[in-house]
Amino acid sequence: AQSVTQLGSHVSVSEGALVLLRCNYSSSVPPYLFWYVQYPNQGLQLLLKYTSAATLVKGINGFEAEFKKSETSFHLTKPSAHMSDAAEYFCAVSGGGADGLTFGKGTHLIIQP
Amino acid sequence: DGGITQSPKYLFRKEGQNVTLSCEQNLNHDAMYWYRQDPGQGLRLIYYSQIVNDFQKGDIAEGYSVSREKKESFPLTVTSAQKNPTAFYLCASNPGQSRYGYTFGSGTRLTVV
Repeated sequence: AQSVTQLGSHVSVSEGALVLLRCNYSSSVPPYLFWYVQYPNQGLQLLLKYTSAATLVKGINGFEAEFKKSETSFHLTKPSAHMSDAAEYFCAVSGGGADGLTFGKGTHLIIQP
Repeated sequence: DGGITQSPKYLFRKEGQNVTLSCEQNLNHDAMYWYRQDPGQGLRLIYYSQIVNDFQKGDIAEGYSVSREKKESFPLTVTSAQKNPTAFYLCASNPGQSRYGYTFGSGTRLTVV
């Protein structure tokens, strides 16, 4: 069984400041981990994924995440926030098969001008 | 370009009626999924199919039905037995292993009136 906890349903940062969105997971098998972004009334776009290669994963739009097995974490970061980063972000976990993703409840990122 | 097409984008249904949401993919993916999204609850898995003519229940299958007669199509029927059907529905696909990632459609917003 797998689960995901995203700390903070809303996170607010100033434009140009560091973005940090937290994700902790629980998995009975070696996990694959994903971060997705969703803009209003749209589908989910993949930002990045961890598939047991490098623990520091770089994604699109300047985002990156680090897999820390000892902390069961996969936090998402971006050095400098941009207004266009305002969206809903979801962390998700899966095992090795194709039985779907288990999602966290999401974090709404607000960018203050 | 390859992708997933969901239709319609907005759907209104009267109480007591069944309604079918369409999901078509041209990615040649083996596996397809239906998720339900409610505010503050993340995405929850309704049904998934890993191969034609076979499908499995997800976490919240009650009141829903699916079919997988063709590899590229995975329609979802919301039946009158679903007590609270108003939600945003997302379809996804995967080549057959999680490490390849999941592609999402743009969603259908269903409202019961």
